[in-house]
Amino acid sequence: SQQGEEDPQALSIQEGENATMNCSYKTSINNLQWYRQNSGRGLVHLILIRSNEREKHSGRLRVTLDTSKKSSSLLITASRAADTASYFCATEIKAAGNKLTFGGGTRVLVKP
Amino acid sequence: NAGVTQTPKFQVLKTGQSMTLQCAQDMNHEYMSWYRQDPGMGLRLIHYSVGAGITDQGEVPNGYNVSRSTTEDFPLRLLSAAPSQTSVYFCASSKDRRELFFGEGSRLTVL
Repeated sequence: SQQGEEDPQALSIQEGENATMNCSYKTSINNLQWYRQNSGRGLVHLILIRSNEREKHSGRLRVTLDTSKKSSSLLITASRAADTASYFCATEIKAAGNKLTFGGGTRVLVKP
Repeated sequence: NAGVTQTPKFQVLKTGQSMTLQCAQDMNHEYMSWYRQDPGMGLRLIHYSVGAGITDQGEVPNGYNVSRSTTEDFPLRLLSAAPSQTSVYFCASSKDRRELFFGEGSRLTVL
């Protein structure tokens, strides 16, 4: 099974609402990253949080990391139709030569 | 600034055929990698390279070869295509593996 697994698999919200998605992982990490993928396009890096950080902000994005629970959350505040995309967490695994491993993603639909 | 360029965007192969997916980046990144994306599976690492002349295997390397003769280019070769290799392939590069820059993907169908 995958190192990182996102929850939920799909999320549908109204424009202006907040969207929260979670990522759980199994082994110790150096850092955790979140990426966005618009339909039919490549992934775009959103934010990186290091293993010794607990929270990070970037614009309307807030990422938390709880290494004791091996989990992270991505919050998108005041969502817009343009936020409709799939969101992936990626973990840099210490025990795997620092390879970057992606989860299965959360599909977010923001309805206008 | 082109970033990461992948060619071709679409390809249909017959079982047993070989082909090369091209990847080029103009950001002088040392790290380059190939992923495949299948529905519900996220992205799985095929091969990666930390610099010219250095390559290593990822999670799913079987059936694929890579080489890295220059910093800019990192081609992925399918030696004898199989239907299980039907997928979307992404090339990504990075200065330090901390922020990957992805190409737009190559959609491969093997009949």
